[in-house]
Amino acid sequence: AQSVTQLDSHVSVSEGTPVLLRCNYSSSYSPSLFWYVQHPNKGLQLLLKYTSAATLVKGINGFEAEFKKSETSFHLTKPSAHMSDAAEYFCVVTSGNTGKLIFGQGTTLQVKP
Amino acid sequence: GAGVSQTPSNKVTEKGKYVELRCDPISGHTALYWYRQSLGQGPEFLIYFQGTGAADDSGLPNDRFFAVRPEGSVSTLKIQRTERGDSAVYLCASSEGTAYSPLHFGNGTRLTVT
Repeated sequence: AQSVTQLDSHVSVSEGTPVLLRCNYSSSYSPSLFWYVQHPNKGLQLLLKYTSAATLVKGINGFEAEFKKSETSFHLTKPSAHMSDAAEYFCVVTSGNTGKLIFGQGTTLQVKP
Repeated sequence: GAGVSQTPSNKVTEKGKYVELRCDPISGHTALYWYRQSLGQGPEFLIYFQGTGAADDSGLPNDRFFAVRPEGSVSTLKIQRTERGDSAVYLCASSEGTAYSPLHFGNGTRLTVT
């Protein structure tokens, strides 16, 4: 069965410093992996997706993630945090080929001025 | 263009009552998904439609939950004999239906059972 584990429930950074949100996955076959962001009172928005092409995936708003099969990881990074990045972030893996998504528990990103 | 629309945005009901939650997907999207998100948790899969048929309903917690999509567009999630534990945000998403199509989520319906 497919699953993801987000290693930190809460991450706090200062504005302008790098962001690292960690995610490990478990999959019985080559997975499709995603990061979604959820701002308060707004719908989930796709940040980026990995679908077995390039292992370094670039997304919106300066975020990127690297697929590392040897470490079963798909960590999300950004070189410099903005206040507007404060939100809940979900690491997601697909289950089968139906597009059904399995979500991690989420990481709350706090950005301090 | 218009995104996924969910109505109502908030619903408060008494324990034991019946509720219906509506989802209007993006026009032309063949796949439609329902998820449930409890406080402090990630969304949990409930059911997936491809066209009019439920292709995967393995996430429905019990037989009080039912969903339909009679014309392959709008979907309704129905909950009978609601319980306090049903309180959550119910999310709908739609996609073009291929394996790598991104899901587009609505803002959800917050259901509170008192």
